[in-house]
Amino acid sequence: QITLKESGPTVVKPTQTLTLTCTFSKFSLSASGEGVGWIRQPPGKALEWLALIFWDDDKRYSPSLKSRLTVTKDTSKNQVVLTMTNMDPEDTATYYCAHNRNGFFFTFDFWGQGTLVTVSS
Amino acid sequence: QSVLTQPPSASGTPGQRVTISCSRSNSNIGSSPVSWYQQLSGTAPKLLIYSNDRRPSGVPDRFSGSRSGTSASLAISGLQSEDEADYYCAAWDGGLSGQVFGGGTKLTVL
Repeated sequence: QITLKESGPTVVKPTQTLTLTCTFSKFSLSASGEGVGWIRQPPGKALEWLALIFWDDDKRYSPSLKSRLTVTKDTSKNQVVLTMTNMDPEDTATYYCAHNRNGFFFTFDFWGQGTLVTVSS
Repeated sequence: QSVLTQPPSASGTPGQRVTISCSRSNSNIGSSPVSWYQQLSGTAPKLLIYSNDRRPSGVPDRFSGSRSGTSASLAISGLQSEDEADYYCAAWDGGLSGQVFGGGTKLTVL
């Protein structure tokens, strides 16, 4: 069974940069077709897709957040890292990483438990 | 404003069949496959339906998906109390070059 887990700070200050790490198991991001995405959910609100990185280092970003996001992978550690610059209180949300179903574009079949990030001074 | 519109709420009694709609307001996602996610209170979303009508292993066949034109639907038959959750549709928007989620539908089992 594929598992993923997010880690990172629970509180960041406005204007700071957020760095989140997704550590996964039971698949390799060096294998053809594999991908890991990031999705967030503000309290009481809908899901919002942020980014997706594939095995071949193809990266996709939400157009509205593209200038603030960077996603990278470390296949040796089975980790994906998301950085988001210039954090704002409106970025307060639960951040999820998820496995992209092999062969199906933007289909997230396994999710991490999520990590709540609060942006506050 | 999401390009995928869902009713904010839906309800049914145990045993009933309920459907949740997902309408695309943007033609750029007209042919893009739709996925559906179930989110129980306080938990991470779970993939219910992908590629419009396919179920991952382990998802009961009470859940089914369909697509017609610029709309998609999730149907739940034999409604159970444990189906009470938020449901989200999702699709790829070629014009935006990004994944979009619907606003979510809160399903209440009466």
